[in-house]
Amino acid sequence: DVKVTQSSRYLVKRTGEKVFLECVQDMDHENMFWYRQDPGLGLRLIYFSYDVKMKEKGDIPEGYSVSREKKERFSLILESASTNQTSMYLCASSSGQGDTEAFFGQGTRLTVV
Amino acid sequence: DQQVKQNSPSLSVQEGRISILNCDYTNSMFDYFLWYKKYPAEGPTFLISISSIKDKNEDGRFTVFLNKSAKHLSLHIVPSQPGDSAVYFCAATILVSGNTPLVFGKGTRLSVIA
Repeated sequence: DVKVTQSSRYLVKRTGEKVFLECVQDMDHENMFWYRQDPGLGLRLIYFSYDVKMKEKGDIPEGYSVSREKKERFSLILESASTNQTSMYLCASSSGQGDTEAFFGQGTRLTVV
Repeated sequence: DQQVKQNSPSLSVQEGRISILNCDYTNSMFDYFLWYKKYPAEGPTFLISISSIKDKNEDGRFTVFLNKSAKHLSLHIVPSQPGDSAVYFCAATILVSGNTPLVFGKGTRLSVIA
């Protein structure tokens, strides 16, 4: 079974804090993604990576950065957390070899106070 | 500009009846479409997909129909069960480019009433 694991289910952080969300996949997938889900807005792509040390901006990259130092790990960084970054964050991975099904982690519910 | 649209935010269906969830897309380059199901506080899980070379794909109670000329797809669930109550997301991508991220719609919340 493909497993995508996000380090935390729930997080509460203060405004201005630097926040790290970690994601690990165990299927040797090339591609990894970070989305956020908000009511009425669906899943919006923040950043993605199709190789180690490579990253591409998604639709809403402002206020975020990412790091992919190893193939299995993709980190999302909130440089200075703000209340409008309160959301459900979802990490996903896919093989990128003609198989486009993306496998998602369980999500991290981040609240910024 | 929304490339994948799910115009119905919610849908209620009686148990045992058919649920039909709709999705429209604007990008004619999309050639592969997926449906995901999401329960609260969990990540989305893959349900069913269809390639643009087909017009129908079936898996048990779930069938996806694709109308390329109308840029429209639909997910049929027959018979609907209370456990099907969830948010359903339609997604699309360009298969020829293996690195193209999935583009998601805003989702439709399905409630199946016993």
